[in-house]
Amino acid sequence: GESVGLHLPTLSVQEGDNSIINCAYSNSASDYFIWYKQESGKGPQFIIDIRSNMDKRQGQRVTVLLNKTVKHLSLQIAATQPGDSAVYFCAEMDNYGQNFVFGPGTRLSVLP
Amino acid sequence: KAGVTQTPRYLIKTRGQQVTLSCSPISGHRSVSWYQQTPGQGLQFLFEYFSETQRNKGNFPGRFSGRQFSNSRSEMNVSTLELGDSALYLCASRENNEKLFFGSGTQLSVL
Repeated sequence: GESVGLHLPTLSVQEGDNSIINCAYSNSASDYFIWYKQESGKGPQFIIDIRSNMDKRQGQRVTVLLNKTVKHLSLQIAATQPGDSAVYFCAEMDNYGQNFVFGPGTRLSVLP
Repeated sequence: KAGVTQTPRYLIKTRGQQVTLSCSPISGHRSVSWYQQTPGQGLQFLFEYFSETQRNKGNFPGRFSGRQFSNSRSEMNVSTLELGDSALYLCASRENNEKLFFGSGTQLSVL
């Protein structure tokens, strides 16, 4: 079956350092991936997406890397700030191209 | 545009009761999806509605149902509540098959 999983359930980084959050997926046919950020008491917020015809996509302070060979997705956050503290979810579009399968999430804690 | 709006924000119910949650999507979005989120879990897909029709359904019992109205607003109903139904219920809307935009959720507590 389809599954999307995260390697690390928690990640602590120093303020100002770069953060890397990883995600493994199992469906090699998936062609659309998204990273979401969820702060306490809020719904998930879109960060960045990438399609399978790309290996890398950059946003403001964030970069998503896609390695289709090993079915791995990562989110890089540059110069991590206290406001980046949240749970991050990767999501993969399912076999039917209609719905997303979400990973369990990684909690990012930014240390002062 | 206004974001996805969910009401109520919090609900407390007892076992055996039923509950109805409401979701107003972003204007112009015809797809509305519902997810259940519990502590320590990822988001689990309940169902998706598009143009008043259920397009997809996750692996939840029949106690969980939903509907969508002609203005794309959606409701989700859970009957015969169980303790394990305590969760954050998230609604999301989108255009076509693009990214989901989530509301803040309804926190349901079943006592």
